[in-house]
Amino acid sequence: TQLLEQSPQFLSIQEGENLTVYCNSSSVFSSLQWYRQEPGEGPVLLVTVVTGGEVKKLKRLTFQFGDARKDSSLHITAAQPGDTGLYLCAGAIGGGADGLTFGKGTHLIIQP
Amino acid sequence: SAVISQKPSRDICQRGTSLTIQCQVDSQVTMMFWYRQQPGQSLTLIATANQGSEATYESGFVIDKFPISRPNLTFSTLTVSNMSPEDSSIYLCSAGWDGGSSYNEQFFGPGTRLTVL
Repeated sequence: TQLLEQSPQFLSIQEGENLTVYCNSSSVFSSLQWYRQEPGEGPVLLVTVVTGGEVKKLKRLTFQFGDARKDSSLHITAAQPGDTGLYLCAGAIGGGADGLTFGKGTHLIIQP
Repeated sequence: SAVISQKPSRDICQRGTSLTIQCQVDSQVTMMFWYRQQPGQSLTLIATANQGSEATYESGFVIDKFPISRPNLTFSTLTVSNMSPEDSSIYLCSAGWDGGSSYNEQFFGPGTRLTVL
């Protein structure tokens, strides 16, 4: 059973469109991270959310942590070809000593 | 943040042999982890590399197959032993800090792409 359900797994849209990626679980997380990974590279940390209901913005990317700290979303406004990549959500149930549990990832392609 | 390097970046190995992957962090970190990622897939935690003690392995991973060392706060190795084609994967090292405002943030190396023939 996947602890973190991430959807959609694949998404191909046109430049300028908006999109949302979801990360859901039945477990409560102490924190949740979003990463972006490009081919041949390791994941790069985009944001960490910690407080239930928290919203963080990173330029055209908006991240939200659910009130119960069981789910999160990533919204991209006016997507650009440079946003193409694998987006991964990852959660920690315990403290900083725990490794991360990753969702299956969302392969995002933004077509010019 | 931390800058993490891994060696080798890729390798092609024969079945039955072993490969040791090195992970070097540019600053002292509390936590180091090893993950496996099948191409195009997500990451699976193999183990936590503990300094000065045995690594903590996740379900499905054992020390005899994936021995790990962590001699200090900036360096760790993962060995993939007695390899089979099923071990072909990308192996990633990550590092972070426990406590304070780190909140489980982990920084990843570029990965080691392993192909076993």
